[in-house]
Amino acid sequence: EAGVTQFPSHSVIEKGQTVTLRCDPISGHDNLYWYRRVMGKEIKFLLHFVKESKQDESGMPNNRFLAERTGGTYSTLKVQPAELEDSGVYFCASSQERVGLTGELFFGEGSRLTVL
Amino acid sequence: SQKIEQNSEALNIQEGKTATLTCNYTNYSPAYLQWYRQDPGRGPVFLLLIRENEKEKRKERLKVTFDTTLKQSLFHITASQPADSATYLCAREDSSASKIIFGSGTRLSIRP
Repeated sequence: EAGVTQFPSHSVIEKGQTVTLRCDPISGHDNLYWYRRVMGKEIKFLLHFVKESKQDESGMPNNRFLAERTGGTYSTLKVQPAELEDSGVYFCASSQERVGLTGELFFGEGSRLTVL
Repeated sequence: SQKIEQNSEALNIQEGKTATLTCNYTNYSPAYLQWYRQDPGRGPVFLLLIRENEKEKRKERLKVTFDTTLKQSLFHITASQPADSATYLCAREDSSASKIIFGSGTRLSIRP
């Protein structure tokens, strides 16, 4: 069974440009999460989808970030326009059950974003 | 707000010894704590979950404890091997039980 896949693995863009990150969760996993790790800091929660609905987007830094999950399958995270502080590794994770039950998350390998 | 603290940024030990990593949490006790392993350039991989009512859980050479009095979890790797070198992350569900929050991790290095 395929794991969580993320694309691209690395993106280098200039400040002010747009980048779209994609995540394909494990098939059948209704819960999809985006996290981010910036240099030297802990992995921080961005948002949570259940199917196509946003359950919690309290971690989204600002309105330059837009996440979608049309059809409840794959998800995209768009950063527009990108700023220097957006550089980091963006992780996607999925789970079959909600966090409150067992919470085991299956992570992708991450998309490294470098904003110059 | 809830916090997860892994006080040791790095830990270096000799192969064959037991590695012990510490995770402390603040505020109320979570229903469970989790431990993940992360290798450089890879995503975190789930290792173990221990529930509030469990004192200890084992999986092969791994052992995790949960002390609600000390608000602490200890993660042990016995008979450590160089292949165990990685960053280990402690995690808990937050108060809304809608997401997992992570500590900053402990980078473990096992020298031959």
